Amino acid sequence: NAGVTQTPKFQVLKTGQSMTLQCAQDMNHNSMYWYRQDPGMGLRLIYYSASEGTTDKGEVPNGYNVSRLNKREFSLRLESAAPSQTSVYFCASSYPTDTYEQYFGPGTRLTVT
Amino acid sequence: AQSVTQPDIHITVSEGASLELRCNYSYGATPYLFWYVQSPGQGLQLLLKYFSGDTLVQGIKGFEAEFKRSQSSFNLRKPSVHWSDAAEYFCAAGGGTSYGKLTFGQGTILTVHP
Repeated sequence: NAGVTQTPKFQVLKTGQSMTLQCAQDMNHNSMYWYRQDPGMGLRLIYYSASEGTTDKGEVPNGYNVSRLNKREFSLRLESAAPSQTSVYFCASSYPTDTYEQYFGPGTRLTVT
Repeated sequence: AQSVTQPDIHITVSEGASLELRCNYSYGATPYLFWYVQSPGQGLQLLLKYFSGDTLVQGIKGFEAEFKRSQSSFNLRKPSVHWSDAAEYFCAAGGGTSYGKLTFGQGTILTVHP
């Protein structure tokens, strides 16, 4: 039981490049989330998926898109990376939604130059 | 708007000393409350949670937290800190109409001196 896994662990992009961050969970959770973590700002929600087939914007969605590929997988895409998107990205999952307890992946450290 | 505030950005304690990390929330209803810990380069691990009932909750690694409705607080405590407790600690809140979403505080970095 791997929990929540994320790939890649590290990534360096040039401004304007695109990339997709992958997240998968094997806990049969309904809900999945993408956060970014910046120093002194805690975790801010980018997008979430309450259940398979649905996605919604969080607090800071601009510059990102997501896909809930199936119940296990939730990807985050940066279409045209900007230096302001340099951050650590965390994926999380929970089941069911009304427990609110989230389980986190190990994170992806992204640098945009 | 819902918010979670951790007033202390950085706390330093000596090993063996007691610890209290502060968390205040602003929510329309009584929220579900959590404390997570993040070691350097790692993801977040759940320490403890409060949903309802007993306002003093016990967690892993010897931590406890007390929910005080009158003060809108959920402070984390440990009677004797170990060097391995050095990490960043996040308070989070959810509930009401947030549909499973959590609001996180800014985090408190704990340094432990030998």
